[in-house]
Amino acid sequence: DAEITQSPRHKITETGRQVTLACHQTWNHNNMFWYRQDLGHGLRLIHYSYGVQDTNKGEVSDGYSVSRSNTEDLPLTLESAASSQTSVYFCASSLNRGPVFFGPGTRLTVL
Amino acid sequence: QQQVKQSPQSLIVQKGGISIINCAYENTAFDYFPWYQQFPGKGPALLIAIRPDVSEKKEGRFTISFNKSAKQFSLHIMDSQPGDSATYFCAASTDSSNTGKLIFGQGTTLQVKP
Repeated sequence: DAEITQSPRHKITETGRQVTLACHQTWNHNNMFWYRQDLGHGLRLIHYSYGVQDTNKGEVSDGYSVSRSNTEDLPLTLESAASSQTSVYFCASSLNRGPVFFGPGTRLTVL
Repeated sequence: QQQVKQSPQSLIVQKGGISIINCAYENTAFDYFPWYQQFPGKGPALLIAIRPDVSEKKEGRFTISFNKSAKQFSLHIMDSQPGDSATYFCAASTDSSNTGKLIFGQGTTLQVKP
């Protein structure tokens, strides 16, 4: 079955370290998104991509970067992790105007 | 700036009752309004969605009511069941060609008591 996967599912890192969260989807969706979820804020959009080589900043993009070299993957990189980036991160994908499917999430703790 | 405001923050309903969650938005350019259901430790899952050209959409026990003039929309869960206990998020999008660029409400934790 087609799916969207995230790895790792849990990550503990130290302030200042570079961290990369992986997202892989097998639906051949053109759109991919990264959200973070924090209590009291719901989910907020970090970055998104409408296709290969296309990336765009979302509402809370500072300190994050993405790259889209193929249809299936959109890795999220924290260049220098900060405690404020402790959160649960969700990758999502969709096909044009179709429904958006979310991955299982990655819980990131920055100490 | 919170563009989508959701209430209540938490809700307790008896089994068989009706659960109602409300959302209000500010941006009149929003043209896609989905509701997501999230269980602990899982990603959000699309429950039902509506576009502003209709005032109501029903799928099984779940109904979205949409009031364009009031800039409000709500989720009604009929005959609520313990298995409906989860966190519910409303969302909105202005991107008519791609629906994943979403603004989410803060979420409502629903508990359905047996």
